[in-house]
Amino acid sequence: QVQLVQSGAEVKKPGASVEISCKASGYTFTNHYMHWVRQTPGQGLEWMGIINPNGGSTNFAQKFRGRVTMTRDTSTSTVYMELSSLRSEDTAVYYCARESSGRYGIYFDSWGQGTLVTVSS
Amino acid sequence: DIQMTQSPSSLSASVGDRVTITCRASQTIVTYLNWYQQKPGKAPKLLIYAASSLQSGVPSRFSGFGSGTNFTLTISSLQPEDFATYYCQQSYTTPRAFGGGTKVEIK
Repeated sequence: QVQLVQSGAEVKKPGASVEISCKASGYTFTNHYMHWVRQTPGQGLEWMGIINPNGGSTNFAQKFRGRVTMTRDTSTSTVYMELSSLRSEDTAVYYCARESSGRYGIYFDSWGQGTLVTVSS
Repeated sequence: DIQMTQSPSSLSASVGDRVTITCRASQTIVTYLNWYQQKPGKAPKLLIYAASSLQSGVPSRFSGFGSGTNFTLTISSLQPEDFATYYCQQSYTTPRAFGGGTKVEIK
C-alpha cells in the first residue's frame, strides 16, 4: 500500500533552516508529483509547492519563493523540503502529499503523517 | 491566483442531521474541486475528487456537487465519526489553494 513517512519533529531558532524528508513506498515514485502543505496552529491548510520526482522540476507558492527548496532522491524514493530564514510564524505541521491524476481530476490521495516544526528562540 | 471561500466556517449539528458545506472559487475551476476531512492531530483524508467522485472506501453518505465556481459537500446523515474539519481544494492550477475549512461540531 502507498505510504509516505516523514522525518521527525524539529525545534529551530529564528533565522535557521529546516529540512524535512518524506519517504515514499508502495508505488512508482517517479509517476506522481509530490506537494508540500503546511498547517499553522489552529489554522487551515496552506499549499507551499510541488516537485516532479521525474526530473526534479519545482513550482512554489509566491509566499515562499526565495526561502523554500524542494529536492528528490530517486534512489531512495524520498523528497525533501528545506525552508530557510525561519521565523516564529513558520511554526507549523508540514505535510507531504502525493498527487494523483486521471480523466476525472487531480487530487492528493495520500499524505504523510506530518512533521511539527517549532521555531523559538 | 484562485481564491477558495468556504462557508460556514463552523456549524453545530446532531447525529442523523443532513449537513451541507459550500465552497466558492474566485474563477472557474470546471470540476477540479476536491474535498478533504481532517480530524485533530491527523493528516487530511481525501473524500471527494473532481467535484463529485467518491474516493474509494469513503461512505456513500458523503456526496459532492457543482461545477464552475460553486460547489457543495453534503453529508446525508451525520455520524459520530464525521465530526471533523472539512476543506475544499482547487486543483485546476497552481497554487493548489484550499478553502479556510468548516468545522463540524456536535450540537
